[in-house]
Amino acid sequence: KAGVTQTPRYLIKTRGQQVTLSCSPISGHRSVSWYQQTPGQGLQFLFEYFSETQRNKGNFPGRFSGRQFSNSRSEMNVSTLELGDSALYLCASSSGTGNGNTIYFGEGSWLTVV
Amino acid sequence: AQTVTQSQPEMSVQEAETVTLSCTYDTSESDYYLFWYKQPPSRQMILVIRQEAYKQQNATENRFSVNFQKAAKSFSLKISDSQLGDAAMYFCAYRTPTSGTYKYIFGTGTRLKVLA
Repeated sequence: KAGVTQTPRYLIKTRGQQVTLSCSPISGHRSVSWYQQTPGQGLQFLFEYFSETQRNKGNFPGRFSGRQFSNSRSEMNVSTLELGDSALYLCASSSGTGNGNTIYFGEGSWLTVV
Repeated sequence: AQTVTQSQPEMSVQEAETVTLSCTYDTSESDYYLFWYKQPPSRQMILVIRQEAYKQQNATENRFSVNFQKAAKSFSLKISDSQLGDAAMYFCAYRTPTSGTYKYIFGTGTRLKVLA
């Protein structure tokens, strides 16, 4: 069974631009969550989607948004990029139901803002 | 708010030896899940082991085992017979709540070096 797939793997953007990252979950998984990883802040939760609905979100500004499609694929968008948005963005998927369902991560998308 | 603390930024272990990585957490909830994830240089997070808070028995996965002390809110990871491939960042994570929508809270990580 294929794992979590994230695209693109690497990208460079200019300050002020916007970026869209994509995540395809493990087949059968309906929950997708996103995390930002930076050296200074570690791994921080962005948001979680289940069946096309955002169920939970972290403490990030409104420039960070996401959505989920009917096939469970998810995208996250960052508008008006700032230098501090440079990070590894990790997507994770899980079944989304039941107790303690474990999340499985993709390889991440490296975003560099210049 | 829940917090997860990993007080050891870096640890070293000799190949074939045993090492223990520490993790403490703070929560007012009685039921939750705890995890250890490994992040090798490829940066992909790999699940190492998980523990259900309602289970008193410590989880074990081959060479990896945990020492879960619920009252002390401590969740350490023991790696036995360390191998070069164990070198990575290790993150302790807390999952809340136990069903439905959830959020994972990660510690800051411990970098494990394995010496040949």
